[in-house]
Amino acid sequence: SQTIHQWPATLVQPVGSPLSLECTVEGTSNPNLYWYRQAAGRGLQLLFYSVGIGQISSEVPQNLSASRPQDRQFILSSKKLLLSDSGFYLCAWSDRLEQYFGPGTRLTVT
Amino acid sequence: KQEVTQIPAALSVPEGENLVLNCSFTDSAIYNLQWFRQDPGKGLTSLLLIQSSQREQTSGRLNASLDKSSGRSTLYIAASQPGDSATYLCAVRTGANNLFFGTGTRLTVIP
Repeated sequence: SQTIHQWPATLVQPVGSPLSLECTVEGTSNPNLYWYRQAAGRGLQLLFYSVGIGQISSEVPQNLSASRPQDRQFILSSKKLLLSDSGFYLCAWSDRLEQYFGPGTRLTVT
Repeated sequence: KQEVTQIPAALSVPEGENLVLNCSFTDSAIYNLQWFRQDPGKGLTSLLLIQSSQREQTSGRLNASLDKSSGRSTLYIAASQPGDSATYLCAVRTGANNLFFGTGTRLTVIP
């Protein structure tokens, strides 16, 4: 069966510090991968998606970036965090039919 | 652009009651609609997926319907239990990588 992992589970970072969140998927190959952000009281916002290694599409311009160095690894990064980057970050994979979500990372920027 | 609305934003019901959650979307050109459950501080768990050609899907005490032409879906929960307390999200897929989410309905089932 397929599983999706995210780490860390929680993170507190000061403004201006770098960020690296990692997501890995097991039990499937060549999945579509996604990064979402869920801000308090708001819906899920798609940040990036990837249909293959090295292929990244950005949905929202911001100070975040994503990379896919391996087929089942998806990384969300920032060089300098802003207060507005606080939120709940969810990674997901898709078999082109359904989306399956990871457990999420709670990021608080102070 | 597709907009997804869920009403009500919050709902409290006594245990054992049947309930309906509503989801509406503005563009009927969808591939499918998915209902998710989210517990506080957790990721999303897929409950039901309805293809655009289908009218409803059932899983246990859950039944989801889809009326694509009117841009509506409902999630029916029978005989609610305290363990059903969570936020329920609907999402419509309009393309290979386009999934639009509602803001959810926060359900509380009171023992």
